Amino acid sequence: KAGVTQTPRYLIKTRGQQVTLSCSPISGHRSVSWYQQTPGQGLQFLFEYFSETQRNKGNFPGRFSGRQFSNSRSEMNVSTLELGDSALYLCASSLAAGGPETQYFGPGTRLLVL
Amino acid sequence: AQTVTQSQPEMSVQEAETVTLSCTYDTSESDYYLFWYKQPPSRQMILVIRQEAYKQQNATENRFSVNFQKAAKSFSLKISDSQLGDAAMYFCAYLGPPNTGNQFYFGTGTSLTVIP
Repeated sequence: KAGVTQTPRYLIKTRGQQVTLSCSPISGHRSVSWYQQTPGQGLQFLFEYFSETQRNKGNFPGRFSGRQFSNSRSEMNVSTLELGDSALYLCASSLAAGGPETQYFGPGTRLLVL
Repeated sequence: AQTVTQSQPEMSVQEAETVTLSCTYDTSESDYYLFWYKQPPSRQMILVIRQEAYKQQNATENRFSVNFQKAAKSFSLKISDSQLGDAAMYFCAYLGPPNTGNQFYFGTGTSLTVIP
């Protein structure tokens, strides 16, 4: 089975712009979670989607949003980018939500905001 | 909110030796799950081992084993016969009960160096 894929792998944006990141989960996985990884804050949970519905949301401003499509692919969007948004954004998929499912991580999208 | 603490930012071990990485967590739940993930430099995060809180027996995966102390809320990872490929950042993670979704709480990580 193919693993979790994320596109693009690298992005450079300037302050004020917006960005959309994409995540394709492992085939058959219906839950997709997003995390932001920075050296200072570590891994922080952004949100989780299951069956096109947001189940959980972390403590991030409304500039961070996401969605999930019927094929379980997910996108996250960050509007009005700030320098502090520079990070590695990780997507993780699991078989189902609400169970003790192991999350499988993608390679991440590295976003640099100038 | 649940918290996960890894008090060792960096650790080193001689090749073929044993090393233990520490992790403590805080939760009021009785049913939860604990994980160790490994993130090699510039590579994606992969699962090393997982432990269900209701299981008293410590999980083992080949050279990797855990020491799960539920009362002490401690979850350490032991790597035996360390290999150069074990060099990575290791993250301890907590997942709540099944009805709370898939929000993982991660520690800040321990960077493991393996010395040849």
